[in-house]
Amino acid sequence: NAGVTQTPKFQVLKTGQSMTLQCAQDMNHEYMSWYRQDPGMGLRLIHYSVGAGITDQGEVPNGYNVSRSTTEDFPLRLLSAAPSQTSVYFCASKQGLAKDTQYFGPGTRLTVL
Amino acid sequence: ILNVEQSPQSLHVQEGDSTNFTCSFPSSNFYALHWYRWETAKSPEALFVMTLNGDEKKKGRISATLNTKEGYSYLYIKGSQPEDSATYLCATREGSNYKLTFGKGTLLTVNP
Repeated sequence: NAGVTQTPKFQVLKTGQSMTLQCAQDMNHEYMSWYRQDPGMGLRLIHYSVGAGITDQGEVPNGYNVSRSTTEDFPLRLLSAAPSQTSVYFCASKQGLAKDTQYFGPGTRLTVL
Repeated sequence: ILNVEQSPQSLHVQEGDSTNFTCSFPSSNFYALHWYRWETAKSPEALFVMTLNGDEKKKGRISATLNTKEGYSYLYIKGSQPEDSATYLCATREGSNYKLTFGKGTLLTVNP
């Protein structure tokens, strides 16, 4: 099992550009989510999905879109990048039971100039 | 949105010291509590998932307890080593909602 994979590892964008951060998991997990990590703010939930075809907003969804067409993939789209979106982005997945562990991907470091 | 608080924000200990830190959360509608270890430039690594009041979990020198009635969990590290230096995160899950709400973490530095 590769676990949770994310690409790219690093990305630099100019303000206004769009891009997609990729996330995939091979553990057949129902639940997938995207977080951003900023200094002093901890991990904040952007969007999440409880299964293919179902997505919902987290704590900080503005400026981001997601889709879940398959169980394995959960891409995060930045529609028009802004400097405030400079952050480290983590994708995570878990099964649905209370005792199930949530696994994180390696992260994508995004800089918006 | 759940309010998950961790304390202290940071601490420095000497190699060999034992230490502990706290995660506080709303006790109503509690479902599960997760502890993670997060090293710099890496992704969070799961330590424990606890669901029942009075739960105790242990992994090597690290252990955790859970009190769901009063809304807190303690993480203990016995005989700290420099490689224990990391941020320790807790996160709670409310009701049957899949979402985890994270605290801001406790940054532990173990000096050799």
